[in-house]
Amino acid sequence: GESVGLHLPTLSVQEGDNSIINCAYSNSASDYFIWYKQESGKGPQFIIDIRSNMDKRQGQRVTVLLNKTVKHLSLQIAATQPGDSAVYFCADNYGQNFVFGPGTRLSVLP
Amino acid sequence: DTGVSQDPRHKITKRGQNVTFRCDPISEHNRLYWYRQTLGQGPEFLTYFQNEAQLEKSRLLSDRFSAERPKGSFSTLEIQRTEQGDSAMYLCASSLLSQGHLHFGNGTRLTVT
Repeated sequence: GESVGLHLPTLSVQEGDNSIINCAYSNSASDYFIWYKQESGKGPQFIIDIRSNMDKRQGQRVTVLLNKTVKHLSLQIAATQPGDSAVYFCADNYGQNFVFGPGTRLSVLP
Repeated sequence: DTGVSQDPRHKITKRGQNVTFRCDPISEHNRLYWYRQTLGQGPEFLTYFQNEAQLEKSRLLSDRFSAERPKGSFSTLEIQRTEQGDSAMYLCASSLLSQGHLHFGNGTRLTVT
């Protein structure tokens, strides 16, 4: 089946810097993309989503960019804080369910 | 919005035993999903319900696995004759619209010894 993957398994950033987490997807038919944050011992928590008719969407300190030409999705976190340390997953819709990538672990350094 | 609730949070069982997990979705959410997550991996789709109807099952869902959502509200996931390979986090999620994002519970961590 189709899969969604991430380029880097780990990412370390200094507190206050911006973080960029990347994701490549393979299903050309996907029209809905989501970023989740998962902290240890908890379920994934919704961060932001974007539909295929958009190429950018902004939330509070987060921005998602979608490049359908190269099937690439990114999550930008501004002014990264210690509380942002977690594993981040991208997901796309595959039929009526969602396919998740393996995740990127973000570590925020003091 | 009380969130998606899963019970138990942790389950330790011996190989060959049966286990059952419960999920209470956000009220009025008509879709309910089960996912499995192993260490260092993203969640893997198992099955989903729309109201009480089970509409899709993954090939990951062997005959030992069964899920129900009898009244279109809470759901149960049963694993019969557990194997060590069943050890994982079992996540439940719900959504209101078919194209809406999933709201996850905090999962049930199963350890099969």
